[in-house]
This record gives sequence, C-alpha cells and structure tokens, in this order.
Amino acid sequence: DAGVIQSPRHEVTEMGQEVTLRCKPISGHNSLFWYRQTMMRGLELLIYFNNNVPIDDSGMPEDRFSAKMPNASFSTLKIQPSEPRDSAVYFCASSFGDWGDQETQYFGPGTRLLVL
Amino acid sequence: SQQGEEDPQALSIQEGENATMNCSYKTSINNLQWYRQNSGRGLVHLILIRSNEREKHSGRLRVTLDTSKKSSSLLITASRAADTASYFCARIGVDSSYKLIFGSGTRLLVRP
Repeated sequence: DAGVIQSPRHEVTEMGQEVTLRCKPISGHNSLFWYRQTMMRGLELLIYFNNNVPIDDSGMPEDRFSAKMPNASFSTLKIQPSEPRDSAVYFCASSFGDWGDQETQYFGPGTRLLVL
Repeated sequence: SQQGEEDPQALSIQEGENATMNCSYKTSINNLQWYRQNSGRGLVHLILIRSNEREKHSGRLRVTLDTSKKSSSLLITASRAADTASYFCARIGVDSSYKLIFGSGTRLLVRP
C-alpha cells in the first residue's frame, strides 16, 4: 500500500512568491495533519482536519498560511507571500479515527522548502 | 515549552550495544508514542504506550512509562548500524485527543 504522498519533495523559491504544498493521505484515513519541522522549534502541528473539516488551525503561524482539504484524498498547504523564515520541512500525516480518538499517525516524506 | 525533554540529545554507541533514550513531560497524558526519523526522511511510528500501561515490547524495542514521574524510556537492544536515526517521543495529552506534542529528539549513531 502507498503511504502518505507529498509533493514536491523539494521547493526553492524567492521571497514573496506563492508556495503550494500537496498531500495525499493514506486511503481510508479520515484525519490529516500538517506539521512544520525546524531546528529551532522542532516539530509543530500547523493544522488538523477530520473528515475534511478543519478542526484545529491554532498552529497556523499567520494569515499568510492557509490549508484546504477539498476531498478525502487531497490536501494543500499554501503560503502566500512566502518569507525566508518559512524555510523548513513540512510534513503531512494521516490517521484513522474520530477527533476524540486519535492514535498512530503515518507521516509522509516531507517537503523541504527553502525561501531565498 | 509544551515540548517534552529528551535525554540525551545525542548518543553514540557501538553496534551490538544497547541504546537507552529518555523522555520527560509536564502534563498528564492519554498515550505516549515513539517515532524514528532517518536523515532527510519522514517519521516512522515505532510504538505506542497508553497511560495505563507500564511496559511494552516490539521486537528489539522496549518502552517503559512511569506516569508518576512523567517519564518514558525507549530501549533498543543489540543495536545495528541501520538503527542510526533521530528518535522522538510524542504524547497526546488528556486535554487534546489528537494533538501530538513532540519532544526535541535524540540523535542516535550506531558505529559499525
């Protein structure tokens, strides 16, 4: 079975440009998470979807960040405009369960973003 | 900080030796999980231990949980060079049924 799929794997862009990261969760999973990993702050949850509905976006840094999940098999994380401090590895993870009953999360390979 | 503390930050051992990593946290948990991350890769789930469990095994892995001390340990026995990776503990607190709070990680190097 395919795991969580993320694209692109690497992205280099210039400050001010729009960046779109994509994620395909594991088939049958109904929860999707976006994380950001940096050396300074470690792994941080950005947003959590359950059954395609955003449940918790308290980790989204600011209005420049937005995430959507139009259907059960696809999600995007968009940064507009991008800034150098957004440089990080962005992970998507999925799991199965209700918002009140979450356990193992399965992570994608990540997108390494560099904003110049 | 919400993040747990992991100890040590880095560990270097010889192949065949055991590796022990520790994780401490501050608030009550629902469960605690350990993940492995190879360099430049995503995280792989290793093992989950619930708050009412004290010990769990999976192959060469042994996890203990002491809720009174708010700490957990991961033991890798008979380590192999392929075990070289970063290891993270992550907990789900009683106040959030889905939010994984990750520790800072332990970088393990297993020398062949």
